[in-house]
Amino acid sequence: EAGVTQFPSHSVIEKGQTVTLRCDPISGHDNLYWYRRVMGKEIKFLLHFVKESKQDESGMPNNRFLAERTGGTYSTLKVQPAELEDSGVYFCASSQEEKGGADTQYFGPGTRLTVL
Amino acid sequence: AQKVTQAQTEISVVEKEDVTLDCVYETRDTTYYLFWYKQPPSGELVFLIRRNSFDEQNEISGRYSWNFQKSTSSFNFTITASQVVDSAVYFCALNTYNTDKLIFGTGTRLQVFP
Repeated sequence: EAGVTQFPSHSVIEKGQTVTLRCDPISGHDNLYWYRRVMGKEIKFLLHFVKESKQDESGMPNNRFLAERTGGTYSTLKVQPAELEDSGVYFCASSQEEKGGADTQYFGPGTRLTVL
Repeated sequence: AQKVTQAQTEISVVEKEDVTLDCVYETRDTTYYLFWYKQPPSGELVFLIRRNSFDEQNEISGRYSWNFQKSTSSFNFTITASQVVDSAVYFCALNTYNTDKLIFGTGTRLQVFP
């Protein structure tokens, strides 16, 4: 069974540009999460999808970030326009059951975003 | 508020030494879940263990063991006879029945030298 995959693995862009990150969850997992680790700090929650619906987006830093999960399969996270402080590693995770709090989240390898 | 504290930023040991990584958590919820993840140099987060708040039994898996103590709000992780391949950043995390998001500690970087 394939794990969570993320694309690209690395992205280097200039301030003001747009970047789109993609996450493919484990097949059959209804829950999909985005997290971010900035500057060696703790990994912080961004948002949670249940199928195609946003269950919790309390961690999204501002309206420059837009997440979608069309059809309840893969998800994209767009940053537009990117700022220097957006640099970090963006992780995606998925879990199986609808009530995700009781289940293990499996993580992808992350996308390292560098904004110059 | 929920919080996870990993006070040890970095630990260095020599191969075959035992090492314990500390994790202290805070939550007001009575039902919660604790996790450990490993992040090797390749970058991915690898799930190691999940414990729920009703199960205080310690767990052993090979060279790995976990000590969950509600009285001290701790969920410590011990590696016995460490190996170079154990070198990684280890994260402790918490979520509760009422929220699905994981709250992570800042991680402990473990370096095992040959």
